[in-house]
Amino acid sequence: EPEVTQTPSHQVTQMGQEVILRCVPISNHLYFYWYRQILGQKVEFLVSFYNNEISEKSEIFDDQFSVERPDGSNFTLKIRSTKLEDSAMYFCASSHFDGDYGYTFGSGTRLTVV
Amino acid sequence: SQKIEQNSEALNIQEGKTATLTCNYTNYSPAYLQWYRQDPGRGPVFLLLIRENEKEKRKERLKVTFDTTLKQSLFHITASQPADSATYLCALGRYSGAGSYQLTFGKGTKLSVIP
Repeated sequence: EPEVTQTPSHQVTQMGQEVILRCVPISNHLYFYWYRQILGQKVEFLVSFYNNEISEKSEIFDDQFSVERPDGSNFTLKIRSTKLEDSAMYFCASSHFDGDYGYTFGSGTRLTVV
Repeated sequence: SQKIEQNSEALNIQEGKTATLTCNYTNYSPAYLQWYRQDPGRGPVFLLLIRENEKEKRKERLKVTFDTTLKQSLFHITASQPADSATYLCALGRYSGAGSYQLTFGKGTKLSVIP
């Protein structure tokens, strides 16, 4: 069964550093998303991406965040200057018809900011 | 403000019984509602989607109902097994314009099936 692949599985970074989280969505999917989950809390929407541009973003997705689809397969989330409160599990997801048949989530990247 | 409530943080059930999980929402007009399973340290796994004009959906031992008047969905697992133990997430899909939907999750219900 096709999978969404995320790397790295765990990243530790110093406060103020930039991090790039990488994702390879399912190849024939058209919609891409980033979500995050702070430990013990709910899964929160960050951003959706379609047709090479952001289609929607949440209040969490401020100027320190950016997304890119640099080639036909990768989808990245960059956090420019990490803060302690950015520590969370970050999930990439993709879907074919924008959720009509469910989203496929990756296993996540656990980001720890120290 | 918009709210999604899964009314039990945790639910314990005996193996073989039917587990029923509830999802209530306020101030939403969802286009659809989805249920996911999440295991510790893993991403959510899609189980079922039900649209606003549908009342019930089934898939193997799973059944979802959707009542837009009550603003409630019920998720049933029949003949529950210890392997069904996980956190189950309710998520509402709302059309946000420009061909895009936003999926918003509830906090989840942790189901434990006791042998």
